[in-house]
Order: sequence, then structure tokens, then C-alpha cells
Amino acid sequence: EAQVTQNPRYLITVTGKKLTVTCSQNMNHEYMSWYRQDPGLGLRQIYYSMNVEVTDKGDVPEGYKVSRKEKRNFPLILESPSPNQTSLYFCASSKRTGVDTDTQYFGPGTRLTVL
Amino acid sequence: DAKTTQPTSMDCAEGRAANLPCNHSTISGNEYVYWYRQIHSQGPQYIIHGLKNNETNEMASLIITEDRKSSTLILPHATLRDTAVYYCIVRVGSGSARQLTFGSGTQLTVLP
Repeated sequence: EAQVTQNPRYLITVTGKKLTVTCSQNMNHEYMSWYRQDPGLGLRQIYYSMNVEVTDKGDVPEGYKVSRKEKRNFPLILESPSPNQTSLYFCASSKRTGVDTDTQYFGPGTRLTVL
Repeated sequence: DAKTTQPTSMDCAEGRAANLPCNHSTISGNEYVYWYRQIHSQGPQYIIHGLKNNETNEMASLIITEDRKSSTLILPHATLRDTAVYYCIVRVGSGSARQLTFGSGTQLTVLP
């Protein structure tokens, strides 16, 4: 089954404790992205990657890191989480060519709480 | 990307067609209309997209007016599981990973 998976689905942590949220897709997609969703602010892109070893900042990259060492994986790293990073996070992937690039497939979400 | 306007909320009876409108009066010639939905706190789900012709797939139909300034997403036989926020997005299909701008969407509630 074609899918985007994220782990963990739920995480409660404390300020300053480094964490990684994993994202994996099995559709051989070139493009992958991370979004966060907050009430009243909609979905905002954190980082995106157009291919292996190619990453770029989205609208809200502060406090986050990403890496793209393999095509299928795109982990989101919070080196020193803070309470304002409490949010619902989504990973997404899409193919590279033409209109289909905008058919993005989203993971199930990771609900992160930073105390 | 062109701005879209959608009603805040709509109700629909189970088994009936749900017709969700979207206005995009500033759409340009190379911009596509996309529909996604998000069931409560789940990842957004792609539904359908189109440029100027009407489109149909297993989930829904998309009707785009001739002047392309508005469109309607049709769920032909709504079920309770179709209760979700529906987002109409207009953008150029330029081939990039840049973000989708979801806006506020329409909360569709399917009533038993």
C-alpha cells in the first residue's frame, strides 16, 4: 500500500531534550515536506526537499533541522525543543514531474507537546 | 497563487450529493484547481484537481465554470465518513515542493 508513515504519532517531551520525528514514504517520490498545523494558522511548511541531499527552508524553519540521506526518509529534528513547537506535524511527499507534483500525500501526523 | 473563497460550513444529508463551492475569480490561465480534505486531525487527503475541463474520479467530481472563476466539488453520495474540512487550492502546477496554501476551507458535516 502506498503510504507516508510518521513516528512517533504522539510525543510529550520537555524543553531542551533533542528529538527526531521520522518520516518514510514507499512511493519513490522525489519531493518531501514537513508542515506544522496550529489552530487559526493552518498548515505551514517547515522544510522541504526536492531530492536526496537537497533541502530548503519553508516558511517556518526556525528551531528545526532536516536531512535527506535516502530518497524514502526525511526526518525532522528538533535540537532543543521549546513550548512554542507544540503542534501537529505532517510529513508529505509527491512526485516530481508536471501537475502530479501538487498531488501531495500526507502522513497521519505527529502530535508533539513540549512542556 | 490565486486567492480562494469558500463557505465556512455546510451540512449535507447522508446519501445525498454534497456540493461544495469555491470562488477563485483571480485565477490565471496556468493555474489548476485542487481539492483536498482533512478529516479531524488526520493528514490532508488529495481528492481531485483540474484545469478547465470537468473531472471525475472515484472520490468526487469537479465542475469548473467556463470562465474558470469558480468551481464546485461534488461528492455524489455523501457518507458520515465524508465529514471533514474541504480545501480548495489554486496554484500553478509548476513542479516543485513548495507549500500548498490551505486557507480555512469548508467544514462539511454529513448528517444521518
